[in-house]
Amino acid sequence: GQQVMQIPQYQHVQEGEDFTTYCNSSTTLSNIQWYKQRPGGHPVFLIQLVKSGEVKKQKRLTFQFGEAKKNSSLHITATQTTDVGTYFCAGPGDSSYKLIFGSGTRLLVRP
Amino acid sequence: GAGVSQSPSNKVTEKGKDVELRCDPISGHTALYWYRQSLGQGLEFLIYFQGNSAPDKSGLPSDRFSAERTGGSVSTLTIQRTQQEDSAVYLCASSPTGIAFETQYFGPGTRLLVL
Repeated sequence: GQQVMQIPQYQHVQEGEDFTTYCNSSTTLSNIQWYKQRPGGHPVFLIQLVKSGEVKKQKRLTFQFGEAKKNSSLHITATQTTDVGTYFCAGPGDSSYKLIFGSGTRLLVRP
Repeated sequence: GAGVSQSPSNKVTEKGKDVELRCDPISGHTALYWYRQSLGQGLEFLIYFQGNSAPDKSGLPSDRFSAERTGGSVSTLTIQRTQQEDSAVYLCASSPTGIAFETQYFGPGTRLLVL
C-alpha cells in the first residue's frame, strides 16, 4: 500500500540553527499537507501544497512540493524554542477521503 | 462548536474493562476520523465516518474496537476488554465533507492508560 516516509525521525538543534524535514511518498500525490503537534498537544494544520514545484512561506517556515509531486520538505530558518514539536506531512491515500500521515519528525530546540 | 472536543481527556482503566471515548466534531462537518497515536509515534488511522455511516473501518485493530456516530455529529469509540497495548492517545478529527484535499481539524485527544 501507499507509504509516506519522513526523515529524520528526530532533530536536536541549537536555537538559531536551521532545520529541515523531508517527506517522501511511494506514489504521486495530488496535494500534500503539513501539520505541527506541540508536545502534549494535537496536530494542527500548517499548510497545503497542490502544484508541482510549489513553494510557500510562512514567516520562517518554507514549504516545498517536488516537481514529481512525490516529495516535500519543510525548512525552518533560525529556529526558536517555540518551534519545538513534531512535524507531520500527510498526503491523500488510495481513497478519496483518507489522509496518509508520515511518521513525523520531532524537533527539539536547545535554548 | 468552536472546535473538535473529546472526552474524557484522560482515562485510566484496568485490563479487561470496557471504555467509551467520545468525539464532538465541528458543527456541520460530515466527515469524522479516529486515529490512534502511541507514545512518540505517528498517527494510525482507525475509522472514517461520512455522516452516520462508516465506509472505512479498515484501521480498527481488532473486533474489540467499534465505533458509531449518531445524528451526523457525536461519535463514540468503544474498546471492549481493554488490553495494555491499547494504551495510547486516541485522536478524533473532522473535516467539512471528507475529501482528502480538506484540512482535518483535530480534537485534543483522549489519553488512555490500561493498567
